[in-house]
Amino acid sequence: DTAVSQTPKYLVTQMGNDKSIKCEQNLGHDTMYWYKQDSKKFLKIMFSYNNKELIINETVPNRFSPKSPDKAHLNLHINSLELGDSAVYFCASSQDTRPSYEQYFGPGTRLTVT
Amino acid sequence: GENVEQHPSTLSVQEGDSAVIKCTYSDSASNYFPWYKQELGKRPQLIIDIRSNVGEKKDQRIAVTLNKTAKHFSLHITETQPEDSAVYFCAERGGSNYKLTFGKGTLLTVNP
Repeated sequence: DTAVSQTPKYLVTQMGNDKSIKCEQNLGHDTMYWYKQDSKKFLKIMFSYNNKELIINETVPNRFSPKSPDKAHLNLHINSLELGDSAVYFCASSQDTRPSYEQYFGPGTRLTVT
Repeated sequence: GENVEQHPSTLSVQEGDSAVIKCTYSDSASNYFPWYKQELGKRPQLIIDIRSNVGEKKDQRIAVTLNKTAKHFSLHITETQPEDSAVYFCAERGGSNYKLTFGKGTLLTVNP
């Protein structure tokens, strides 16, 4: 009965490779998010989708491309991985875009680029 | 809101003492202020939140206060326990966008 799940949990890859992270939520929420947490624990929003529509697109390299095939899924594809992409990537979801709705986070994907 | 300052970055207290973490923000239109707790290796989880039309909210040992005039809000934990040890993040949501802006976190250590 996991609410927000991500795969894989750990991802180790070499520079220049392309990789994807997948996220699924079974809460019936309309809104999903991708966050990046760096080694200093700083948590920063990258993207958000509401009903499969992109509503937040922060200043991230265009090597990062999100895709939402349906309301329950939000994937993140990263091209030409770089050392600086190493971080924990968290997916989250909320009921909708209204501010008082809690964001539920997934367990995170620890990406290590060597 | 684009800027949230959080202090202190680390806080060490003795079990049973109180802990206070403070955040300031710059967007006067900010209307929602959640606090998240992240234990080591785990996901952030919401512990308490407050909206801009409320000055204080309490949930057992945890309370949050909001001063809209001064643009700051604080988390208060009383009777701290070792299991309160974690990184705590404040966040705010501006009035004109959908995103939460997080503070840089406070590592709270409660010593038994």
